[in-house]
Amino acid sequence: QVQLQESGPGLVKPSGTLSLTCNISRAPVDRNLYYWGWVRQPPGKGLEWIATTSFSGSTYSNPSPSLDGRITQSVDGPRDQFSLQLSSVTASDTAVYYCVKSRSPHAGRGPFDIWGRGTMVTVSS
Amino acid sequence: EIVLTQSPVTLSLSPGERATLSCRASQSVGTYLAWYQQRRGQAPRLLIYDATNRATGVPPRFSGSGSGRDFTLTITSLEPEDVAVYYCQQRAQWPTFGGGTEMEIK
Repeated sequence: QVQLQESGPGLVKPSGTLSLTCNISRAPVDRNLYYWGWVRQPPGKGLEWIATTSFSGSTYSNPSPSLDGRITQSVDGPRDQFSLQLSSVTASDTAVYYCVKSRSPHAGRGPFDIWGRGTMVTVSS
Repeated sequence: EIVLTQSPVTLSLSPGERATLSCRASQSVGTYLAWYQQRRGQAPRLLIYDATNRATGVPPRFSGSGSGRDFTLTITSLEPEDVAVYYCQQRAQWPTFGGGTEMEIK
């Protein structure tokens, strides 16, 4: 069974860059066919999709004004990792960030059948 | 952006009762709709994908129906462990989630 684990700083200063990495355990042999991404959840609120990427380089990002233009994704195939960078953060970016895997090959927009446990990121000075 | 509206916001039922949760899309999403369960303090769990298909390991008391703009998640006989928030998600366009329905057990 595939497992995901997020890592990264729990505190980021306003206007700084939030950087998170997700480590994949027991990656499927056809890992390159799937999409891997990020969903966040502000405290006490609902879910928001951020972005997904494949190890072959295809990407999807949330185009909403709150996120558009601030998202960078990267992958590290040999280490079975993928990463998210979110620039120019504000307090509204405070949330639990989950890394996720798409259920089906080529499904860049989900649904997401594997979730990490989530990591809380607070934006504060 | 496709907006998903879930109702009711909160649902309080007794064990063994039938629960019906709704999700309405602002425009047609075909059958590109999924349901997730999120228990307190845990990550979401995929229950239903493509409107009607149960994900691996999901008990048969959970079922999904609908197409176009209107979708339903049904739990035929509530159990205490079904206490959770349930979210719908569409993938017809860039993914969006509904606001959630909180399931309470009396």
